[in-house]
Amino acid sequence: GAVVSQHPSRVICKSGTSVKIECRSLDFQATTMFWYRQFPKQSLMLMATSNEGSKATYEQGVEKDKFLINHASLTLSTLTVTSAHPEDSSFYICSAQHPNTEAFFGQGTRLTVV
Amino acid sequence: AQSVTQLDSHVSVSEGTPVLLRCNYSSSYSPSLFWYVQHPNKGLQLLLKYTSAATLVKGINGFEAEFKKSETSFHLTKPSAHMSDAAEYFCVVSPFSGGYNKLIFGAGTRLAVHP
Repeated sequence: GAVVSQHPSRVICKSGTSVKIECRSLDFQATTMFWYRQFPKQSLMLMATSNEGSKATYEQGVEKDKFLINHASLTLSTLTVTSAHPEDSSFYICSAQHPNTEAFFGQGTRLTVV
Repeated sequence: AQSVTQLDSHVSVSEGTPVLLRCNYSSSYSPSLFWYVQHPNKGLQLLLKYTSAATLVKGINGFEAEFKKSETSFHLTKPSAHMSDAAEYFCVVSPFSGGYNKLIFGAGTRLAVHP
């Protein structure tokens, strides 16, 4: 199957700083990428849908100014957690897909805000 | 509206015994259905998918699932559990068959396998 690379796999940051997470589709062009958040022992919650060359679509309750998404190319989407706080600590997972293909998931990023 | 219900939050089996993870879905359209597996602190791996072709779907690692429209179910089974099967399993629905759009995740079932 296709490969989606997510970086970093783990990050620890200080409260108030910003963290950028990258999601790359390594061997296909992904017109759509999705960002999910997963709390411990819970399911994945869709945060936003990222479309190449246009603004992301955020799910209800997700602060767009806090979780900045950029999808500047067909192989890269980034999620920036701005002014991070301890409650933002979570496991973030991206997925990438091209129309009429399945979604391929990154390895996830464990964010810890101290 | 589309939704997915995984009927068991935890399932515990002995190694070598059958596995059954239950999933019911609700969809206004002919959906695509998936089962994904997640090992601790890892991303998700696709086990199998149903997209309006054969109702019995075979996946990787000996898993299979049967799409039953009359029961709106898509239960995941494996004849003989292995220790390495211990993980979190997610049943997922995508509203449109043949198209892969927003995925709706079930709450997950944690499978424990005992020696």
